[in-house]
Amino acid sequence: QKEVEQDPGPLSVPEGAIVSLNCTYSNSAFQYFMWYRQYSRKGPELLMYTYSSGNKEDGRFTAQVDKSSKYISLFIRDSQPSDSATYLCAMSAGAAGNKLTFGGGTRVLVKP
Amino acid sequence: GAVVSQHPSRVICKSGTSVKIECRSLDFQATTMFWYRQFPKQSLMLMATSNEGSKATYEQGVEKDKFLINHASLTLSTLTVTSAHPEDSSFYICSARKTEPVEKLFFGSGTQLSVL
Repeated sequence: QKEVEQDPGPLSVPEGAIVSLNCTYSNSAFQYFMWYRQYSRKGPELLMYTYSSGNKEDGRFTAQVDKSSKYISLFIRDSQPSDSATYLCAMSAGAAGNKLTFGGGTRVLVKP
Repeated sequence: GAVVSQHPSRVICKSGTSVKIECRSLDFQATTMFWYRQFPKQSLMLMATSNEGSKATYEQGVEKDKFLINHASLTLSTLTVTSAHPEDSSFYICSARKTEPVEKLFFGSGTQLSVL
């Protein structure tokens, strides 16, 4: 069993819809939770960063962490075709700048 | 966000040759950088941790003599794939740790290596 599980998709939504992404994990030591966006053949771009449980909102993005369930989510409101990409969750036990354990990524397609 | 520059973005080489990939933090100092490898439609797999002024730490199963890492300054780490073979063809990505104001990792744009 992988430490971090993420549905590979693809997840196809119409423009303007809410995109809902999630990851589950098994290591209770994870304290820092990140979401990255990766376009094809590009490096990942940090979208959201959360420490421990709770919610965090930044523009159209909302990240949620439920440590009791070992479950994290990312919501993208008012999705745009430019949001079409692969979304990777990542976690760390020590600090956000330490070794990250990544999920496999979910490919998202936003159709105009 | 912080900028991490990675070069080259794409390289094609013959089997048996060596290839060097550079990773630079342009607007911050990075004592620690990480090197990842990514196969098509798969996630990033950590290869090694590069610390400025000291030897790199390799993950289990990564050949340190094949993937040479040098972190000679606070803004530059290099990965050299020695005696490359077709199975080394992959997408290589570096990341740099920025510690202020909040510790985060920022990634380079990746290098697609194709070994013929």
